[in-house]
Amino acid sequence: DAGITQSPRHKVTETGTPVTLRCHQTENHRYMYWYRQDPGHGLRLIHYSYGVKDTDKGEVSDGYSVSRSKTEDFLLTLESATSSQTSVYFCAIRGARGNNNEQFFGPGTRLTVL
Amino acid sequence: EDQVTQSPEALRLQEGESSSLNCSYTVSGLRGLFWYRQDPGKGPEFLFTLYSAGEEKEKERLKATLTKKESFLHITAPKPEDSATYLCAVQARGGSEKLVFGKGTKLTVNP
Repeated sequence: DAGITQSPRHKVTETGTPVTLRCHQTENHRYMYWYRQDPGHGLRLIHYSYGVKDTDKGEVSDGYSVSRSKTEDFLLTLESATSSQTSVYFCAIRGARGNNNEQFFGPGTRLTVL
Repeated sequence: EDQVTQSPEALRLQEGESSSLNCSYTVSGLRGLFWYRQDPGKGPEFLFTLYSAGEEKEKERLKATLTKKESFLHITAPKPEDSATYLCAVQARGGSEKLVFGKGTKLTVNP
């Protein structure tokens, strides 16, 4: 268990509404990541953070923003949700056990945009 | 562009029937290759990291190997509880934080 929780675990929303997903970690890791997973695609990086208030874009960042005001929390916001953002969203942290290149994933949030 | 291709897409085995999953990759300098296991409705679970050609890692019935172009995940005498989707990912050198994932191999082990 990497000490990662995600909330909510499931959400159904309507097109055009704002949505915020939360990732919480308990192990004080510096690096945190948001991925999305869709059928026919591998996991794809949306945004990541390398410290409080330090974030950068991944390969599919359009339509998403992130914030990290505390080490333990990394928020993903969809300012105006679209049906193409229906997906399963995973948060990950970069591990400190052994070699610190490995990323450890949370349980995921299933988001449906109607 | 960094790419990962996993094959086969799906594999059915009988309990005890050993086999291998393939992960072919192209990357501009390999920083690491990662194997994950994912059960339905759950997040990927880390299995192995491989860094250089010739490296091997083992865990229970799983053994991961690495060459300059591909990695294999060998499953010896699998059990039904090994059924899952196995994901491969690569990370390039140069400070990139991005993991490039393959689409996975869905393994089913029948009793």
